[in-house]
Amino acid sequence: AQSVAQPEDQVNVAEGNPLTVKCTYSVSGNPYLFWYVQYPNRGLQFLLKYITGDNLVKGSYGFEAEFNKSQTSFHLKKPSALVSDSALYFCAVRALTGANNLFFGTGTRLTVIP
Amino acid sequence: DTAVSQTPKYLVTQMGNDKSIKCEQNLGHDTMYWYKQDSKKFLKIMFSYNNKELIINETVPNRFSPKSPDKAHLNLHINSLELGDSAVYFCASSQIPESEQFFGPGTRLTVL
Repeated sequence: AQSVAQPEDQVNVAEGNPLTVKCTYSVSGNPYLFWYVQYPNRGLQFLLKYITGDNLVKGSYGFEAEFNKSQTSFHLKKPSALVSDSALYFCAVRALTGANNLFFGTGTRLTVIP
Repeated sequence: DTAVSQTPKYLVTQMGNDKSIKCEQNLGHDTMYWYKQDSKKFLKIMFSYNNKELIINETVPNRFSPKSPDKAHLNLHINSLELGDSAVYFCASSQIPESEQFFGPGTRLTVL
């Protein structure tokens, strides 16, 4: 069975500080991993994905994520947070083979404090 | 240009009514999806269509039925609406099932 865990409902960080939003996953075989961001009253926007290759993936708006197979993690990071990064962040996973379902985590609300 | 659009943005209706939500994508994608986001922001896939064929059908009530008149459209029909159907419904599309998805702005459904 596929699943995604985002252990923190809320992350607060000061503007200019580095941020991390955690994600761990469970999937049979190799995973496709995604991060999406949702601003208030908007649909989800794609940030980045990992399919294969380098474990460090760079995405939109200066975000990056590191795939760690041994820890089954795919944490989202940014070196310097902006107030405009405040939003709801979703991690998602699907298996390379088999069902096409994309499973989303429960979301982490990031608040960047000025 | 809006990539994935949904209408209406808000839908308020009485229990027992039948309603539809429309979705259109102008990205030329082959796969479209419907998701339900509940009040706790939990996102769950309901359906997906690939080249007009249903490839995922999660265990949603059969009161919900997706209809795709062509590759660019995937409409969601809901019969006999219930209070628990109140949620935000998102349409999305992707080039292939494995690639990233592009989401519409959502339709907030309120059943009274």
